[in-house]
Amino acid sequence: EAGVAQSPRYKIIEKRQSVAFWCNPISGHATLYWYQQILGQGPKLLIQFQNNGVVDDSQLPKDRFSAERLKGVDSTLKIQPAKLEDSAVYLCASSKSSGATNEKLFFGSGTQLSVL
Amino acid sequence: QQQVKQSPQSLIVQKGGIPIINCAYENTAFDYFPWYQQFPGKGPALLIAIRPDVSEKKEGRFTISFNKSAKQFSLHIMDSQPGDSATYFCAAKYQGAQKLVFGQGTRLTINP
Repeated sequence: EAGVAQSPRYKIIEKRQSVAFWCNPISGHATLYWYQQILGQGPKLLIQFQNNGVVDDSQLPKDRFSAERLKGVDSTLKIQPAKLEDSAVYLCASSKSSGATNEKLFFGSGTQLSVL
Repeated sequence: QQQVKQSPQSLIVQKGGIPIINCAYENTAFDYFPWYQQFPGKGPALLIAIRPDVSEKKEGRFTISFNKSAKQFSLHIMDSQPGDSATYFCAAKYQGAQKLVFGQGTRLTINP
């Protein structure tokens, strides 16, 4: 079974530039998540999709971050314009959306963003 | 506001020792408590998980102890090996949702 695919692996940009990250979840997984992991901290949920609809985006800085999952499969997370504090690893995860309490999340390897 | 507090931040143990990582929470709306293991350059991977109606769960060398009244849970690694060196995160899931809240992480080093 293929895992969660993310690209690019690394990205270095200057502040005020824009950047986009791509995620392809495990086939058949209806729920997709974007997490932000700042160095030395645990992952923080930015946005959760169920198919192509947003379930939770309460912690997404909507003035600069946007995300879409147009066909309910792969997803793109964009930052425009980037700030220094956006330097982090952006993790994508997916799950089957079975509704079970113990539903397992599968994470990709992430995109490491450095904003200079 | 840190909803799940994890300690220690880092831990060094000799091979064969039993590292213990602790987590505490406040929100009684959590109904599932997984632990994730993360190696450098990789995403977190589910290691073991427990529900609050169970006091202990064991899978191989990994054991979760859960104290519902104290709102605390901990991860124990028996017969630790250098390959267990990684960052460990506790997490909590809201009842009725799939959203996970993670602790700050513990960087574990097992010396040979």
